[in-house]
Amino acid sequence: GAGVSQSPSNKVTEKGKDVELRCDPISGHTALYWYRQSLGQGLEFLIYFQGNSAPDKSGLPSDRFSAERTGGSVSTLTIQRTQQEDSAVYLCASTLTNSNQPQHFGDGTRLSIL
Amino acid sequence: KQEVTQIPAALSVPEGENLVLNCSFTDSAIYNLQWFRQDPGKGLTSLLLIQSSQREQTSGRLNASLDKSSGRSTLYIAASQPGDSATYLCAVPSRSGYALNFGKGTSLLVTP
Repeated sequence: GAGVSQSPSNKVTEKGKDVELRCDPISGHTALYWYRQSLGQGLEFLIYFQGNSAPDKSGLPSDRFSAERTGGSVSTLTIQRTQQEDSAVYLCASTLTNSNQPQHFGDGTRLSIL
Repeated sequence: KQEVTQIPAALSVPEGENLVLNCSFTDSAIYNLQWFRQDPGKGLTSLLLIQSSQREQTSGRLNASLDKSSGRSTLYIAASQPGDSATYLCAVPSRSGYALNFGKGTSLLVTP
């Protein structure tokens, strides 16, 4: 597709369940980023991929959060044993390489934990 | 840690006015600064990216300036239109060069 695609667009789940969020970056973009946007905290960096490797996972808030990227393309962000404070919009972005270029964002996944 | 501040938090103007949004950052060792627009329920749309060696960038009615030494950037919107209503965010990369640090945004409402 032409832009960054994220699915699902909305996810409602019960506390304690696991969720998987998917990001399909712009074709050919080697760098991929996950961010979280919540009312109180604004936009926060979670993790960065270059190819299939994640050189920076420093923004992941706890060990319940993990992410992987396969084939240098699609990435999945997994949250285990969800808590109410995980409710937020999870945004994915990509760039052609990892240097000094505009980040292009998807529309995000709105996650609500009941 | 890089801190990014945007002023004002919200702004309402009548259609046709020129306006300025402000962004400041604490660490002047930046590679670039990026301005984004976010519409309700949507992701971020990149408006302008200014490299650290540049002083300004223009795109249509938008002009962004960068003063690294003072840690400031402004986004100038000329002849505002109701379609410009959105939240505007500025962001600078961390020292690693890739993770973006965002301000909290300016919520702009342009009334007909």
